[in-house]
Amino acid sequence: DTAVSQTPKYLVTQMGNDKSIKCEQNLGHDTMYWYKQDSKKFLKIMFSYNNKELIINETVPNRFSPKSPDKAHLNLHINSLELGDSAVYFCASRPSGTTDTQYFGPGTRLTVL
Amino acid sequence: DAKTTQPNSMESNEEEPVHLPCNHSTISGTDYIHWYRQLPSQGPEYVIHGLTSNVNNRMASLAIAEDRKSSTLILHRATLRDAAVYYCILAGGTSYGKLTFGQGTILTVHP
Repeated sequence: DTAVSQTPKYLVTQMGNDKSIKCEQNLGHDTMYWYKQDSKKFLKIMFSYNNKELIINETVPNRFSPKSPDKAHLNLHINSLELGDSAVYFCASRPSGTTDTQYFGPGTRLTVL
Repeated sequence: DAKTTQPNSMESNEEEPVHLPCNHSTISGTDYIHWYRQLPSQGPEYVIHGLTSNVNNRMASLAIAEDRKSSTLILHRATLRDAAVYYCILAGGTSYGKLTFGQGTILTVHP
């Protein structure tokens, strides 16, 4: 049973398109995150939701819009894709009341052509 | 965010102990020291964390300096599966779990 799952695993698309990446966790955690790992392998946090409420919003273009339909899901929608959006996107979750231990998904490799 | 400094890379032989250092001289009193690792083509994986005392779990040990300005992740017997990028991260209680990843240490394990 996968704890944090992401779909799709790979996504190849053209510049200007709109795409979504889905994330689901079956751990019962309250908090979920999106991270971006660029070609230089740096991992940066993008967003965090706690019980469907946005609590962290780093300096991310507004073309990126997270949506949390329930606390088990956090989806990432990207409008007007650009070449620089090519990266691996990781979803993570964390239970409340813990010292920040996070569980990461396998990642979605996005390639914008 | 308090910053951590790690060596870019380290090498080890299989079944030998590995000591991965991390400096964090600007650590605050509420910062926990976390270690995560990222195996090739996988998401980061939690390894261990601590506040002041040394910690042990099934994966590793964490040795924290008395002044908390440095710590060492200890893999007691490295295996080929331990080859990964190891990240030392400081995270405080008010950060909503925000993890700020640095460059990490690339650990190579030789058979």
